[in-house]
Amino acid sequence: DTEVTQTPKHLVMGMTNKKSLKCEQHMGHRAMYWYKQKAKKPPELMFVYSYEKLSINESVPSRFSPECPNSSLLNLHLHALQPEDSALYLCASALAGGVNEQFFGPGTRLTVL
Amino acid sequence: GEDVEQSLFLSVREGDSSVINCTYTDSSSTYLYWYKQEPGAGLQLLTYIFSNMDMKQDQRLTVLLNKKDKHLSLRIADTQTGDSAIYFCAEKGGRGTDKLIFGTGTRLQVFP
Repeated sequence: DTEVTQTPKHLVMGMTNKKSLKCEQHMGHRAMYWYKQKAKKPPELMFVYSYEKLSINESVPSRFSPECPNSSLLNLHLHALQPEDSALYLCASALAGGVNEQFFGPGTRLTVL
Repeated sequence: GEDVEQSLFLSVREGDSSVINCTYTDSSSTYLYWYKQEPGAGLQLLTYIFSNMDMKQDQRLTVLLNKKDKHLSLRIADTQTGDSAIYFCAEKGGRGTDKLIFGTGTRLQVFP
């Protein structure tokens, strides 16, 4: 299995809602990533988990809360988001260290109303 | 600085070669990558090159690295309409980090 899967594909939420994005991989990768991508821009790194521990937080607002329950799963909990948080949220995974070939999921298209 | 620059747009005729350029700034980068992103999709790793190499060829793709000028290029031979996408270069930050820094992206349009 060489895929990174993400659910849901699309999500529309209000500013008072709480929702979660999910990411899963079964490649034995121990580094997992959340990126945010706005239209016509490169992905911006949000969080990195290495061996299920948060290793990088790129000063992301606390309304985004990551969680890595085990080595195959990565969640992003969303609460009280703003319309400017609307974007494509990408998950990626890689073997920790070394070449760092990151495999990306298809993303969740998030719209905040 | 951590800016990785690419030209915004490239248009080529089907069957011609495409060359996408990238300029990076971190001389301690150990690996450099090329990713492809089709509309509405995630990023697909095409190839990567280790910083002590000058060139890497993989089927229709050729990567050239000029470390002195911090310049990376991706040549696609016999470009097809299916190659139309946005191409991002990326560098791996030095000193053991797992962080990638992406370039601004080049939109490649292939016309018949």
